[in-house]
Amino acid sequence: GQQLNQSPQSMFIQEGEDVSMNCTSSSIFNTWLWYKQDPGEGPVLLIALYKAGELTSNGRLTAQFGITRKDSFLNISASIPSDVGIYFCAGHNLSGAGSYQLTFGKGTKLSVIP
Amino acid sequence: EPEVTQTPSHQVTQMGQEVILRCVPISNHLYFYWYRQILGQKVEFLVSFYNNEISEKSEIFDDQFSVERPDGSNFTLKIRSTKLEDSAMYFCASSAGLQYGYTFGSGTRLTVV
Repeated sequence: GQQLNQSPQSMFIQEGEDVSMNCTSSSIFNTWLWYKQDPGEGPVLLIALYKAGELTSNGRLTAQFGITRKDSFLNISASIPSDVGIYFCAGHNLSGAGSYQLTFGKGTKLSVIP
Repeated sequence: EPEVTQTPSHQVTQMGQEVILRCVPISNHLYFYWYRQILGQKVEFLVSFYNNEISEKSEIFDDQFSVERPDGSNFTLKIRSTKLEDSAMYFCASSAGLQYGYTFGSGTRLTVV
C-alpha cells in the first residue's frame, strides 16, 4: 500500500520557536491533510490542501502542498504550550477508481518547553 | 461545530467475545469510515461506507469485522470474535464528500483481555 514518510518523529522546542515538519510519499496524492491528536482524543483537522502548490494558513499554522504532489510541510510559528501533541499528515488519492481511504504518516510528537 | 460522536469511550472485553462500537456521524455527511490506532502507532484505515454499502476495505478488515448503518443516524462496527491484537483505539469519521477533509470522533478504546 501507499506509504507516507513523516519527519521528524519527535521534536522538543522552546516556547516561541517556530516548528517545521514534513511528509513525503513515493506516490502522488490529490489531497494532503494535517491533523493534530491530543492524548486519548481523535485526530482534529488543522489544514486541508487540495491543489499542487497550494499554500494555506490557519492562524499560526501554514501548510503547503508540494508541486510534485508527493510532499507537504506544516509550519507552526511562535509555538505555545498548547501546541503540544502529535501531528499527522494524511494523504488521499482520489484516483479514477475512487479510493476512499486516507493514508496517515506515523506522526510527529511535538513537545514545547515553557 | 458539528461533531462525530462515538460510544462507548472505553470498552473492555474478553477474548472471543463480540463487541459493537457505535458512532453517530455528522448529519449531512455521506461518507463514513472506521480507522484504528494501535497504541503509539499511526492511524490505519479499516473500511469506508457509502450509499449503504462498503466502498473499500483494508486487509485488516477481515471476516471478523462488519459494519452497519441500521438507521439514519448510527454507524456501527462489529467485531465478531475479538482477539488480543484487536486492542486499539477505534475512530469513526465522516465526510461530506471524497474531496473534503474528514471529521473524526474521539474514539473508542477497546481493550481485549
